[in-house]
Amino acid sequence: SYVLTQPPSVSVAPGKTARITCAGNMFGSKTVHWYKQKPGQAPVQVFYYDTDRPSGIPERVSGSNSGDTATLTINRVEAGDEGDFYCQVWDSLTDNRHFGGGTKLTVL
Amino acid sequence: QVDLVESGGGVVQPGGSLRLSCEASGFTFVVSGMNWVRQRPGKGLEWVSFSSHDGKSDSYADSVRGRFTVSRDNSKNTLYLRMNGLKSDDTALYYCTRDGEGGSFDSWGQGTLVTFSS
Repeated sequence: SYVLTQPPSVSVAPGKTARITCAGNMFGSKTVHWYKQKPGQAPVQVFYYDTDRPSGIPERVSGSNSGDTATLTINRVEAGDEGDFYCQVWDSLTDNRHFGGGTKLTVL
Repeated sequence: QVDLVESGGGVVQPGGSLRLSCEASGFTFVVSGMNWVRQRPGKGLEWVSFSSHDGKSDSYADSVRGRFTVSRDNSKNTLYLRMNGLKSDDTALYYCTRDGEGGSFDSWGQGTLVTFSS
C-alpha cells in the first residue's frame, strides 16, 4: 500500500512562493495528481500527471515530480490560494487510489 | 458541464445498511470510470471504491472491502454504493467522482452525508 506524506501546514506571505510537497515510495513509476479544497466545498483538481494543469487553473500553479517527492508550487501567492491541498496516486496494478494526508495552506 | 449529484445519505445505526446514489449528467457516463471518495469530519480525503465504465471491474479500499459494493446502471446514468455492516468509523461525507487521466478524479459532486445515531 502507498503512503503519501504531506506536511500538515504551509504558511507563506502574499506575493511569495508556496511549495507543497508529497513524499511517497516508488514515485518514479507513478504520476501524481493534486486537489485543492476550500472549507465547505468539494475538492477541485488543480494538477494531474505530475505537470498538467486543468483548464481554469492559473499558470502560476505548477507541478513537478523528482522521483521520490512531488511538489506543487504556487507562485505570487494570493489570499484566494488558501485551502487544503491533497496529492494522490493511482496504483494501476490494483486499480486502487491513494491520497496524501493533506496540507493546509495559509496566506499570512 | 459535468454534474454529479449524490443522494441517499442519512442517519444509521451501527451494523445498518445504506445505499448511496450518484446521478451523472453533462458527459458520456457509459464510457467513464467512476469512484466514491469519502471525508470524515475534519479529516482528509479517502478513496473508497472504483467502478469501471461497464461495471465489470471494481476495486475497494481495505477499510471497506467486503462491506461495501459499488454498482452502476448505465441506462440511468447512475452510480451506486451499497454499504453494509456500517461502523461509526464510516461517518463521512461521501463524494462521487469521475475517473480522469491517470486514475485521477477530474470532477466531483457535492457529497452526501452519512452519520450515526448515538
